[in-house]
Amino acid sequence: DAKTTQPPSMDCAEGRAANLPCNHSTISGNEYVYWYRQIHSQGPQYIIHGLKNNETNEMASLIITEDRKSSTLILPHATLRDTAVYYCIVRGIAGGTSYGKLTFGQGTILTVHP
Amino acid sequence: GAGVSQTPSNKVTEKGKYVELRCDPISGHTALYWYRQSLGQGPEFLIYFQGTGAADDSGLPNDRFFAVRPEGSVSTLKIQRTERGDSAVYLCASAGDPVLGTQYFGPGTRLTVL
Repeated sequence: DAKTTQPPSMDCAEGRAANLPCNHSTISGNEYVYWYRQIHSQGPQYIIHGLKNNETNEMASLIITEDRKSSTLILPHATLRDTAVYYCIVRGIAGGTSYGKLTFGQGTILTVHP
Repeated sequence: GAGVSQTPSNKVTEKGKYVELRCDPISGHTALYWYRQSLGQGPEFLIYFQGTGAADDSGLPNDRFFAVRPEGSVSTLKIQRTERGDSAVYLCASAGDPVLGTQYFGPGTRLTVL
């Protein structure tokens, strides 16, 4: 699976949009971009995933560049409860030997402040 | 519907003892993963089950670690002759489809080896 690069930490004011970047320049054509977050002392929580089109759900939006070498997770109106470690993961699909296992990096610590 | 559950939530043991950690996946999920998370790090893959069989155990650190899933539902991670370095949070995740299915994580078991 391709490696990802994320900034170690970011700050965001409550009520503002949080934009979390991720670089995955070695991503291959059959690999998805997944985002998870982990709030202190809890298991990772699935947020969103995409292949090449932008995606939106009730939690967030995912913007993937046309060349697929980077993406941005957008939390449109951050709240204090969004303070967490955010992981960007590239995951292989059918035909690979990774069997869909997730390879976590260090992630980005997002701190939402009042 | 219940999510992934793990028991116990905390386990304290002495060096050299044997421990078992249990995972109850989401009902109907055929894929089950175990990960280990050390302090300050992202989760690391240990083993993956598709049904009753371990399809990928490449992440198990050594032969003291073993996992079973005899009926294709509940899984038990077993650690023999525990060492202080085994102290970590052990996370379980399940997915309805191992290739395309999103993995949903349990809250984890915090293992402390004294």
